[in-house]
Amino acid sequence: AQTVTQSQPEMSVQEAETVTLSCTYDTSESNYYLFWYKQPPSRQMILVIRQEAYKQQNATENRFSVNFQKAAKSFSLKISDSQLGDTAMYFCAFMKTNSGYALNFGKGTSLLVTP
Amino acid sequence: ETGVTQTPRHLVMGMTNKKSLKCEQHLGHNAMYWYKQSAKKPLELMFVYNFKEQTENNSVPSRFSPECPNSSHLFLHLHTLQPEDSALYLCASSQVTSGAYNEQFFGPGTRLTVL
Repeated sequence: AQTVTQSQPEMSVQEAETVTLSCTYDTSESNYYLFWYKQPPSRQMILVIRQEAYKQQNATENRFSVNFQKAAKSFSLKISDSQLGDTAMYFCAFMKTNSGYALNFGKGTSLLVTP
Repeated sequence: ETGVTQTPRHLVMGMTNKKSLKCEQHLGHNAMYWYKQSAKKPLELMFVYNFKEQTENNSVPSRFSPECPNSSHLFLHLHTLQPEDSALYLCASSQVTSGAYNEQFFGPGTRLTVL
């Protein structure tokens, strides 16, 4: 079974600053996907960024980027130039490529962006 | 309506009641999912339907009964629930293609309280 660990239950950052959310996972698979999902207070979960394990290059999406360390099984999310709208729960998730479709989530990190 | 919708958004029920949660996706996807989100716990996958057939049931108690009449609709029938079943129930959908990544799109959830 795959486990996903997010060791930071809560974090805060000031507007325009940079923050990094950590995620580690445990798997014996060699091919898989990793995701960061965002759940704002309105509760609609949306995908922020994804990373294929076979790609060495770290994924980026505008202000969001990841630091993927496959050997260390680490997948952190960096948010640059934080905005008030980034306030949300952030979930790290894992999906095996040949499993079907199940997402394994971490417990989440609550991020508060302050003015 | 666009994306994934869920009704009702909030539901309060007694332990002897029978109620149903409804999910509808307007994305033309062929797979649908039920997740349970409890406080301080990772999201838990409950059921997966692919092409209207249930492909996964993560040891969910029989008091939860899913129904997928077509690829656009998914129901979760509830009966004789327990207070510990109180949670946010999230529906998601994706387009499953063999061997390819499929992003899951989430609905806003139904906040269920069992008295």
